[in-house]
Amino acid sequence: SQQGEEDPQALSIQEGENATMNCSYKTSINNLQWYRQNSGRGLVHLILIRSNEREKHSGRLRVTLDTSKKSSSLLITASRAADTASYFCATDGSSNTGKLIFGQGTTLQVKP
Amino acid sequence: NAGVMQNPRHLVRRRGQEARLRCSPMKGHSHVYWYRQLPEEGLKFMVYLQKENIIDESGMPKERFSAEFPKEGPSILRIQQVVRGDSAAYFCASSPGTGTSGHNEQFFGPGTRLTVL
Repeated sequence: SQQGEEDPQALSIQEGENATMNCSYKTSINNLQWYRQNSGRGLVHLILIRSNEREKHSGRLRVTLDTSKKSSSLLITASRAADTASYFCATDGSSNTGKLIFGQGTTLQVKP
Repeated sequence: NAGVMQNPRHLVRRRGQEARLRCSPMKGHSHVYWYRQLPEEGLKFMVYLQKENIIDESGMPKERFSAEFPKEGPSILRIQQVVRGDSAAYFCASSPGTGTSGHNEQFFGPGTRLTVL
């Protein structure tokens, strides 16, 4: 089964609202990363949180990590229409090669 | 500093032909990863290479797929005798190395969308 699994699979909100996406994983990790993918495009790296960190901020993004529950959340505050995209979490699965294991993603639609 | 470059962006092949996908990592990056994304799915790891070495190919299909990262030039993902099921987006990512606390973040290219007719 998937190492990283996001929920919800799809999320639709109004501009200005906050969006929360969750990710669960199964194995131990060195770090967890969140990426954004606009339709038909490549992935944009958003934020990396290491296994010894619990929370990290970057602009309107807030990521939390709970290694005891093997879960992470991505919060986008004051969402904008431009935030419409798919969001993926990726873990390294404690790999010593750095390969990433992606979840299925959450598709976020922000309505203007 | 240009980002990760991939070409072609779109590639159409007929069943049985060969597909060659190229990836130039970011300047200063010596680690290259290839991932495949099927429609409506997340990315799946295929292979990890450093210059002239394949480090981890656990995600590569056993037949028809190969990858290289020569001393000079881009990394190449080669698919021989393509079949319709190979149709997907293929992404390359690069990173500078392991760093002091595990592997660094990976920077992705725009992808090559392969369509097999």
